[in-house]
Amino acid sequence: EAGVAQSPRYKIIEKRQSVAFWCNPISGHATLYWYQQILGQGPKLLIQFQNNGVVDDSQLPKDRFSAERLKGVDSTLKIQPAKLEDSAVYLCASSLQTNTEAFFGQGTRLTVV
Amino acid sequence: QKEVEQDPGPLSVPEGAIVSLNCTYSNSAFQYFMWYRQYSRKGPELLMYTYSSGNKEDGRFTAQVDKSSKYISLFIRDSQPSDSATYLCAMMDTNAGKSTFGDGTTLTVKP
Repeated sequence: EAGVAQSPRYKIIEKRQSVAFWCNPISGHATLYWYQQILGQGPKLLIQFQNNGVVDDSQLPKDRFSAERLKGVDSTLKIQPAKLEDSAVYLCASSLQTNTEAFFGQGTRLTVV
Repeated sequence: QKEVEQDPGPLSVPEGAIVSLNCTYSNSAFQYFMWYRQYSRKGPELLMYTYSSGNKEDGRFTAQVDKSSKYISLFIRDSQPSDSATYLCAMMDTNAGKSTFGDGTTLTVKP
């Protein structure tokens, strides 16, 4: 069974630029998550989708972050404009349903300079 | 105060040692408990999960949950250098479908 796929693996951008991350979840998983993991900390939930609907985006900085999951499969997370404090690993995860364990992708390491 | 507090570490042990990794939590709504292992520059990998108080064993790994004390542990027996990683506890409010992670404990097992 293929795991959660994410791209790119690494990205370096200047502050105020925009960036987008892509995620393809495990086939058949209805729930998709985007997490932000700052060095030395655990993953922090940014947004959670159930199929193509948003379940929880309470921690998403909506003035600069946006995410979509148009057909209930792939998802894109965008940051515009980026700030220095956005430097982190962005992890995508998926689960069969909202109350089952999540499986993570490799993450995208973002550096904002 | 954070909902999930994890012993910060780092932890360094000799090969073959028994390792204990611990988390406490404050939210009584947490009913589902997970441990993830994260190697450097990789995503977290699910190790074990349990709903119940008590022990759950899988090979060299034992997950222990004490809901009355709001305390969970992961024990690693006969630790190996390949166990060197950051271990994250995670807890889920199954009604809300929302998980909260600890900040991780970094373990180094020296040959």
